[in-house]
Amino acid sequence: DAKTTQPTSMDCAEGRAANLPCNHSTISGNEYVYWYRQIHSQGPQYIIHGLKNNETNEMASLIITEDRKSSTLILPHATLRDTAVYYCIVRVGPVGDYKLSFGAGTTVTVRA
Amino acid sequence: DAGVIQSPRHEVTEMGQEVTLRCKPISGHNSLFWYRQTMMRGLELLIYFNNNVPIDDSGMPEDRFSAKMPNASFSTLKIQPSEPRDSAVYFCASTQQGLAKNIQYFGAGTRLSVL
Repeated sequence: DAKTTQPTSMDCAEGRAANLPCNHSTISGNEYVYWYRQIHSQGPQYIIHGLKNNETNEMASLIITEDRKSSTLILPHATLRDTAVYYCIVRVGPVGDYKLSFGAGTTVTVRA
Repeated sequence: DAGVIQSPRHEVTEMGQEVTLRCKPISGHNSLFWYRQTMMRGLELLIYFNNNVPIDDSGMPEDRFSAKMPNASFSTLKIQPSEPRDSAVYFCASTQQGLAKNIQYFGAGTRLSVL
């Protein structure tokens, strides 16, 4: 199973872009990268996912390197409510039998 | 849809007592996951079901833990007898397997304290 490596913590200024890196050097060709976040005392929340193309939705953008060994989650305009633990996960399992393995994540603190 | 619904939100019990946690997945989802979160071990997958059938229970810590899914709209996680080290937040999640997107939606969790 592909494992991910993320920084333990990072700070970000409110209104600025937050760039969260993730390494997944052992990822296989058909494994997706998922990002979730967990705001204090809440259940994890899906943010975005991708395979090899860059993705964007209303919450964030995901940039995956061409060799797929790393990715970056971008929160374009961080707000105080974006303070959370962010998890980068490689989805594993055969089709129809997927599961997620959560690591320690990155604790992001957005400061005013 | 109201999302994944877990009950109770908080449970305080004494060591040795039986504890039952409940989960109602999102309607139409065919996979359900039980996770446990502690400071020491983070978020761990305990067991998951596809179409009400347990697929992988390798994360269940020991025989004191059991999970059932009698139908597509209800699952329970039971701890009997409970011990202080079972204190944690237990999350339930559901998804529609077979879709490329395959997003897991989590409930608000049950915070369990075993005294």
